[in-house]
Amino acid sequence: GAVVSQHPSRVICKSGTSVKIECRSLDFQATTMFWYRQFPKQSLMLMATSNEGSKATYEQGVEKDKFLINHASLTLSTLTVTSAHPEDSSFYICSAILAGGAYFGPGTRLTVL
Amino acid sequence: GENVEQHPSTLSVQEGDSAVIKCTYSDSASNYFPWYKQELGKRPQLIIDIRSNVGEKKDQRIAVTLNKTAKHFSLHITETQPEDSAVYFCAACEVEYGNKLVFGAGTILRVKS
Repeated sequence: GAVVSQHPSRVICKSGTSVKIECRSLDFQATTMFWYRQFPKQSLMLMATSNEGSKATYEQGVEKDKFLINHASLTLSTLTVTSAHPEDSSFYICSAILAGGAYFGPGTRLTVL
Repeated sequence: GENVEQHPSTLSVQEGDSAVIKCTYSDSASNYFPWYKQELGKRPQLIIDIRSNVGEKKDQRIAVTLNKTAKHFSLHITETQPEDSAVYFCAACEVEYGNKLVFGAGTILRVKS
């Protein structure tokens, strides 16, 4: 199947700092990628749709100035959590579409102290 | 927007028995219904999917059925094995809108040996 990578897999940061998470499609091009967050024992909640060459589309209730998304190329989307706070601690997962199917990255575990 | 409900939230079966997980969706425009398996701390893995022009799809021990009229779809796992234990998520979307998946709440499946 399609391969989607994420980096870093795990990050611990202090409150107030910014964290950048990268999502890459390794063997295919993705004009659209999606960013999800998942709290423990909960489902995946869509945060935003990342569109190559244009602005991201955010879901209701997601602060676009806090979660900055950049889709600079057909294989890379980045999510930057700005001024992170403990409540931003979560599992962040990206996905990319290939042949109509969604393939997920391995996720990034963010812990904000 | 789309809303997906999933039942049951937890399911325990004896090894060798069958497991059935059910989902309903609200948006009649949705035409793509994937199922994902997620093990603790790992990415969701696509295990089977179905499109609205098909009523049933089978892949070895896994099958999915779709009732468009009633707007529900189900995952069937036969001859369950301990390694089937995981969290299973259903999802729905309209493919023409870029596979913006809406997930169900998830089902924790435990297969007892």
